[in-house]
Amino acid sequence: KAGVTQTPRYLIKTRGQQVTLSCSPISGHRSVSWYQQTPGQGLQFLFEYFSETQRNKGNFPGRFSGRQFSNSRSEMNVSTLELGDSALYLCASSLSRRPGETQYFGPGTRLLVL
Amino acid sequence: AQSVTQPDIHITVSEGASLELRCNYSYGATPYLFWYVQSPGQGLQLLLKYFSGDTLVQGIKGFEAEFKRSQSSFNLRKPSVHWSDAAEYFCAVGNPGGGNKLTFGTGTQLKVEL
Repeated sequence: KAGVTQTPRYLIKTRGQQVTLSCSPISGHRSVSWYQQTPGQGLQFLFEYFSETQRNKGNFPGRFSGRQFSNSRSEMNVSTLELGDSALYLCASSLSRRPGETQYFGPGTRLLVL
Repeated sequence: AQSVTQPDIHITVSEGASLELRCNYSYGATPYLFWYVQSPGQGLQLLLKYFSGDTLVQGIKGFEAEFKRSQSSFNLRKPSVHWSDAAEYFCAVGNPGGGNKLTFGTGTQLKVEL
C-alpha cells in the first residue's frame, strides 16, 4: 500500500504570494491532518479534515486554510506569505477519528519564503 | 490544555549502549501517548503508542516505552543503540475525546558515536 504522498516536496516563494500544498492520504484513510514544523516553534497542529469537513483547527491566522475532497485528498493554502511561514509542512492520514488512532505522516513539503 | 515536555534537547550515546529518552505530559485524564522518529529530510514514523492496558509498550526497531501515571511520564528506551538510530525523537499526546490532533514535545536529537 502506498504511503502518504505530498506535492511538491520543495517550494520557493516570495513574500506576499500564495501557495497551495497537496496531500494524498493512504488508500482508505478518511482523515487528513496538517502540521507545521519550524526550528523555533517545533511541530504545531494546523487543522484536521474528515469527510470533507474541517473538524479541528490550530492556532494559526486565517491566511492558513485547507480543504478536503471527496476522494480524501487534501490541500492547504497559505495566502499573503510571510518570511515566518518558511517551514516543513507535514500531512498525516488515518483511518478514522477514534481516540488513539495511528496517524501516518508524509515526507513533507519544505517551503522557503524569500 | 495538554502539553508534552521533552527535557533533553540533545543526547549522545555510544553505539551498543542503552538509551532512555524522557517525556512528561500534562493532562488530567489518561492520555493517548505516542513516540515518533524523524530522520533528516523525512516525515515522522511511529515507533509505538499507548492508550490503555499494559503500561510497558513494545514498538518497532527494538524500542519500548513505559507509561507511569504517578510520574506523568512515558519514557522511551532501547537496550542497545545502533548507529542508524541517530535521528530526532518526538513524544506526542493525542486527544482522548477523539480526533487526530497531536500535541508534540520539542523533540530530542539523538547522536550515536561509533
